[in-house]
Amino acid sequence: NAGVTQTPKFQVLKTGQSMTLQCAQDMNHEYMSWYRQDPGMGLRLIHYSVGAGITDQGEVPNGYNVSRSTTEDFPLRLLSAAPSQTSVYFCASSSNLQGDEQFFGPGTRLTVL
Amino acid sequence: LAKTTQPISMDSYEGQEVNITCSHNNIATNDYITWYQQFPSQGPRFIIQGYKTKVTNEVASLFIPADRKSSTLSLPRVSLSDTAVYYCLVPIGSSNTGKLIFGQGTTLQVKP
Repeated sequence: NAGVTQTPKFQVLKTGQSMTLQCAQDMNHEYMSWYRQDPGMGLRLIHYSVGAGITDQGEVPNGYNVSRSTTEDFPLRLLSAAPSQTSVYFCASSSNLQGDEQFFGPGTRLTVL
Repeated sequence: LAKTTQPISMDSYEGQEVNITCSHNNIATNDYITWYQQFPSQGPRFIIQGYKTKVTNEVASLFIPADRKSSTLSLPRVSLSDTAVYYCLVPIGSSNTGKLIFGQGTTLQVKP
């Protein structure tokens, strides 16, 4: 099993550009989520999904869209990048809603100029 | 809404036992408490999860009092490699919403 994979590992954007961060898992997990982590800070929940076709907002959803068309994939879209979105983005998955051992991806380091 | 409070930082020495306490005053009846460890430039890693009383695995113990308003992660005989940020995780709102929120984390520094 590859676990949770994220692409790209690094990305630099200009203000106003859009892009999609990819996340995939091969563990058949129903629950997937996106977090962002700013330097020296904890993780903040952006969006999450409890199954294919179901998504919901976390703590900091503004400026981001998600969709969950398959169990495996949970892409995060930045609609119009802003410098405030400079952060490290982590995707995670788990087999149940209680978060029993969420598996995290390696992260995507995003810089918005 | 469940919200967690942890100490921002702690220092310890190699070989000591470290206890990190997390407060979660509004935890719901059916919610589990989960702890994660994070090293720099890596995603968090699951340590332990519990519902009540005591849970122990090969790396840590988790103590949860009867009122469940707090929990304590216990790391026995820490080493330098245990230097990391430790997060307490509880669900927000109903445990069926799927919304899991990290606390602010405790930075543990283990000294030789």
